[in-house]
Amino acid sequence: SQKIEQNSEALNIQEGKTATLTCNYTNYSPAYLQWYRQDPGRGPVFLLLIRENEKEKRKERLKVTFDTTLKQSLFHITASQPADSATYLCALSVTGGGNKLTFGTGTQLKVEL
Amino acid sequence: GAVVSQHPSWVICKSGTSVKIECRSLDFQATTMFWYRQFPKQSLMLMATSNEGSKATYEQGVEKDKFLINHASLTLSTLTVTSAHPEDSSFYICSAKSGTENEKLFFGSGTQLSVL
Repeated sequence: SQKIEQNSEALNIQEGKTATLTCNYTNYSPAYLQWYRQDPGRGPVFLLLIRENEKEKRKERLKVTFDTTLKQSLFHITASQPADSATYLCALSVTGGGNKLTFGTGTQLKVEL
Repeated sequence: GAVVSQHPSWVICKSGTSVKIECRSLDFQATTMFWYRQFPKQSLMLMATSNEGSKATYEQGVEKDKFLINHASLTLSTLTVTSAHPEDSSFYICSAKSGTENEKLFFGSGTQLSVL
């Protein structure tokens, strides 16, 4: 069966450090993979998209890698700040999937002073 | 970026009543909108795809007669939870894709439904 797995345990890091979140998937052939941020009681907000033929994407302090052989994406936040504390969701869109996105369960990040 | 407005933010209702949730794209036209539900500490689960001017497409296991979706215009989709019961209590979120950025989703702020 198809699965998208993110670490269910919260990730606690110190301010200024780099946070690395993992998204693993099985039985998918994604056309692209996306990362979203979700704050409590709010809808997700789009952060980054990376396509199946791309290895890495950057946006300001954010970096995403995509390894279709390992079936894994890593999401990095450099110089993390307390304001980065949130739940981060990865989402997959498959080729021929009709523009539907399937989401992982998300990983909660807490950046401490 | 594109803005999606969802209303109400929260609603409390008695068991057996119906609740309507509105989702509007404010600065773009959305031919397709998506409705998700999310239980605490769980992932977003796609309920249905709402298509302007035609019937919604429901995911497996989602009762179309229970969750009525109407997408009457290019900027408005509504989800009506009919005869709500406590097990319908959840966080409902709509989303849309704009024509110019049609790979990423723009989400509404969500509606927390509590059925007593």
